[in-house]
Amino acid sequence: KQEVTQIPAALSVPEGENLVLNCSFTDSAIYNLQWFRQDPGKGLTSLLLIQSSQREQTSGRLNASLDKSSGRSTLYIAASQPGDSATYLCAVTPPGTYKYIFGTGTRLKVLA
Amino acid sequence: EPEVTQTPSHQVTQMGQEVILRCVPISNHLYFYWYRQILGQKVEFLVSFYNNEISEKSEIFDDQFSVERPDGSNFTLKIRSTKLEDSAMYFCASRFMEQGNQPQHFGDGTRLSIL
Repeated sequence: KQEVTQIPAALSVPEGENLVLNCSFTDSAIYNLQWFRQDPGKGLTSLLLIQSSQREQTSGRLNASLDKSSGRSTLYIAASQPGDSATYLCAVTPPGTYKYIFGTGTRLKVLA
Repeated sequence: EPEVTQTPSHQVTQMGQEVILRCVPISNHLYFYWYRQILGQKVEFLVSFYNNEISEKSEIFDDQFSVERPDGSNFTLKIRSTKLEDSAMYFCASRFMEQGNQPQHFGDGTRLSIL
């Protein structure tokens, strides 16, 4: 059964720092992996989608990498800003299905 | 940019009552999903829906739950007889095509509180 874990559970950093959020999954057989942002009381905003054949995706200050064989993905946020404060979720799609299996989330706070 | 909309944003219901959560997916999307998030827990998949039928459902999605696309725009989740443990945030999502390179787009959710 696929399990998705995110470390750390919470992170507090000063503005301007580069930071890395980690996501690990127990079964390397995935179709894709997606990173989301969730603001308090809000829905899920898609950040980056990485196909199983890809190694990384970039959007602005965000870079996500995928190492399927080791069951890991990282989300790199460059030059963090207070507006980046949110919970970040990763989710994987097992093969043969298109549902998401979500991780536990990392709650990020960027201090001004 | 097109978005998934959900109503109501917050629903308070007495235990045992029926509740219907409504979603309007993005107009040209073909695949629809419901997820829920109990406070402090992971987001969990409930059900996926395509071509007017359920394509996949989780163990959570028991006989108390049903989904429907009553017209060309709405997608609903009905809980027949609510229990206290149904209290959660419910998210609707839609996808254009059932391909891995297309992300699911999520609504802002409906917070369901069962008293």
